[in-house]
Amino acid sequence: AQKITQTQPGMFVQEKEAVTLDCTYDTSDPSYGLFWYKQPSSGEMIFLIYQGSYDQQNATEGRYSLNFQKARKSANLVISASQLGDSAMYFCAMREDSYSGGSNYKLTFGKGTLLTVNP
Amino acid sequence: DSGVTQTPKHLITATGQRVTLRCSPRSGDLSVYWYQQSLDQGLQFLIQYYNGEERAKGNILERFSAQQFPDLHSELNLSSLELGDSALYFCASSVDGTRGTDTQYFGPGTRLTVL
Repeated sequence: AQKITQTQPGMFVQEKEAVTLDCTYDTSDPSYGLFWYKQPSSGEMIFLIYQGSYDQQNATEGRYSLNFQKARKSANLVISASQLGDSAMYFCAMREDSYSGGSNYKLTFGKGTLLTVNP
Repeated sequence: DSGVTQTPKHLITATGQRVTLRCSPRSGDLSVYWYQQSLDQGLQFLIQYYNGEERAKGNILERFSAQQFPDLHSELNLSSLELGDSALYFCASSVDGTRGTDTQYFGPGTRLTVL
């Protein structure tokens, strides 16, 4: 089963509007972290926002907020007041805390959502 | 700028060859991770080092190896290269790599093309 699911291969939004990028995850680990990264066409991976599984409040970083619904296992990224420079691929990722001698400290990524901001 | 540096930025080589990718982590970060991004596999974790020691392994081929040196920089060695190894290789670093809350910051990547 996929650990991270991003169901929107592509999204379009008008400049200055808000947009929500969906992410659902699957884990039995009670402690985990959820991350969003942005990958512009230039290729670099830019960290945007983090949410811990025990955090009571939704994370916010400037125009980015994370809508964390633990019971539904979703961690949607909300970008407010979209800008042309927000056009990029967006990846949701999870890191599980339990260390069982394997590779559980890795980030597991979704397939990404390509966001296009129209002027 | 994440503070993680990777060299070279681009690498073009032939099948059967061997290459070395280099990564310097952010100042103060002890843990280094390598990821491969390809069109068919997406972003895949390869290997993690912490303070010079291998900590975790992912889907890393036997033809690939890595190490982390005393100054904490890391190298990823890819040998007997095949066309399918063409990908964007990222290095990431984090403070200690022992907690799920530890944020990984990525370098700009090395784009490897195998002809």
